[in-house]
Amino acid sequence: DTEVTQTPKHLVMGMTNKKSLKCEQHMGHRAMYWYKQKAKKPPELMFVYSYEKLSINESVPSRFSPECPNSSLLNLHLHALQPEDSALYLCASSPQGDRFSNQPQHFGDGTRLSIL
Amino acid sequence: AQSVTQLDSHVSVSEGTPVLLRCNYSSSYSPSLFWYVQHPNKGLQLLLKYTSAATLVKGINGFEAEFKKSETSFHLTKPSAHMSDAAEYFCVVSEWDDKIIFGKGTRLHILP
Repeated sequence: DTEVTQTPKHLVMGMTNKKSLKCEQHMGHRAMYWYKQKAKKPPELMFVYSYEKLSINESVPSRFSPECPNSSLLNLHLHALQPEDSALYLCASSPQGDRFSNQPQHFGDGTRLSIL
Repeated sequence: AQSVTQLDSHVSVSEGTPVLLRCNYSSSYSPSLFWYVQHPNKGLQLLLKYTSAATLVKGINGFEAEFKKSETSFHLTKPSAHMSDAAEYFCVVSEWDDKIIFGKGTRLHILP
């Protein structure tokens, strides 16, 4: 069982919809990450939150909006997505902030997103 | 600048035979190195990590990897493959105060 929980597991939405992805961890980790993974490719980093503050935004389009309401929860708000945004969205966490990159990340099982 | 190269995109082995997945890295300083496994429709699971302690690192499910600085390699091995090992494997490198870099992945096929 994964210690990082992502909901929903699957999401189908139209290009005009607004939806949110949710990620939760209760390991006391202080860094949380969003990744996008296309089929047969490695994960691509989107955002990093360190101590509940956005520390890295990898030039992600504004139709993706992250939010970290508290140290255990990470959301990704979606609006006006394009078909090419269809992918597996992975959340991860690590014990300390992003600058302590010698620590492994714990991944959730992802949300499979399909844009119609 | 750091980088990581997984030398094989696909590896096929018979069940019960040894597994070798190759990874070479480039790093300016002392890197941290990781191997993750991803089964279909799942997230990534940490197999093992190297962070400047012992050069031979033992991980979960019988996997191990050896850090060879002179060869800038961190190959993943397992003495005897099991059907459940069929998955995608990612080699990852990171440096202090820097982002992590994923290799492109190696798909491991296990033949009965």
